[in-house]
Amino acid sequence: DQQVKQNSPSLSVQEGRISILNCDYTNSMFDYFLWYKKYPAEGPTFLISISSIKDKNEDGRFTVFLNKSAKHLSLHIVPSQPGDSAVYFCAASSKTSYDKVIFGPGTSLSVIP
Amino acid sequence: DAMVIQNPRYQVTQFGKPVTLSCSQTLNHNVMYWYQQKSSQAPKLLFHYYDKDFNNEADTPDNFQSRRPNTSFCFLDIRSPGLGDAAMYLCATSRGSGDTQYFGPGTRLTVL
Repeated sequence: DQQVKQNSPSLSVQEGRISILNCDYTNSMFDYFLWYKKYPAEGPTFLISISSIKDKNEDGRFTVFLNKSAKHLSLHIVPSQPGDSAVYFCAASSKTSYDKVIFGPGTSLSVIP
Repeated sequence: DAMVIQNPRYQVTQFGKPVTLSCSQTLNHNVMYWYQQKSSQAPKLLFHYYDKDFNNEADTPDNFQSRRPNTSFCFLDIRSPGLGDAAMYLCATSRGSGDTQYFGPGTRLTVL
């Protein structure tokens, strides 16, 4: 039973355009959400996070939006660059167990020059 | 550079032959995690240590064990690997509960 879902296994975007990666979750206890980025042959690296008390968090070209009522979050990358090509994992945890981070299956983003 | 190191990067073992995967960190973090990631699936937490306190996930098979002899090292032992245990094994560390996790590059395990 997947608690964190990323329904698009892959996404292709032209350089300079916006990339939107989507994530849905089922567990209403989740209150902290993260995005990790993974290049081939490397481990995932933390990108950006958002607490459930917010609906938006921005860091440079990366913005995460949270819609709690829809149990949905999205990562926006503007403008997209070829170096952004990677697998993006959505992840979630709850205050009952912040050590247990539940990951989604990932979305592979290709930014085409 | 402070980092999380996993050795070996690729491990081949035979069905039923015990295997140990290694993780070390220079970050001096309190928490160390082991994840299993099968192809195109989400990384799945197997267990984690908070200092010497071992926390096993309820659905982690008994075939998987872990040791943390000191702050820097953590090992994953698979006592009798089956074909279904072939996967990428990721080690991660964090300063404390809820803090950002730092991942190693992973060890890809093949079971013949």
